[in-house]
Amino acid sequence: AQKVTQAQTEISVVEKEDVTLDCVYETRDTTYYLFWYKQPPSGELVFLIRRNSFDEQNEISGRYSWNFQKSTSSFNFTITASQVVDSAVYFCALGFHNTNAGKSTFGDGTTLTVKP
Amino acid sequence: DGGITQSPKYLFRKEGQNVTLSCEQNLNHDAMYWYRQDPGQGLRLIYYSQIVNDFQKGDIAEGYSVSREKKESFPLTVTSAQKNPTAFYLCASSTTGANQPQHFGDGTRLSIL
Repeated sequence: AQKVTQAQTEISVVEKEDVTLDCVYETRDTTYYLFWYKQPPSGELVFLIRRNSFDEQNEISGRYSWNFQKSTSSFNFTITASQVVDSAVYFCALGFHNTNAGKSTFGDGTTLTVKP
Repeated sequence: DGGITQSPKYLFRKEGQNVTLSCEQNLNHDAMYWYRQDPGQGLRLIYYSQIVNDFQKGDIAEGYSVSREKKESFPLTVTSAQKNPTAFYLCASSTTGANQPQHFGDGTRLSIL
């Protein structure tokens, strides 16, 4: 069975703090894809990053960084020096190689609140 | 600008009534999806379509129907058989392939009168 667990339902930090959002996944597939999306209050999900199962290189994009570890089936997301505009719901998703459609299984999301 | 347009933004349904949610994309994507989002929960897949005139049920298709007569359009009908339709509905599209990210619309919030 395919499953994505985001154990942190809500996180609240003060601006400029660093924060890490956890994502743990389960799959029997050897080839799969992991995604992070951001859902601001407007409702539209915005794609942030994709990682292939065969590429464990971590990635940094500005204040955002992602740590992919196959050994622990985790794909965690860190925001450095958080800002109020980072307040949103963040979703981790798992996509499968054995389907042509980009079907993904989503976690329940983590609501991040950054206070000024 | 390329993107996905969902309409209406807010929709109210009376008991026993069918309603249709619109989703249009101009990204030239082959695949389109409908998700339901309930408070505090993730996205659950209702239906998806990989190509025109073809679509498959997702995890919670009961009480919903779709059509895909045009590449750019994927309307969702919430039928009276759906007993708990109050939710936030999101439409998405992508190029074909499991490694492709999805692009989302702004969503439609459906409520029961």
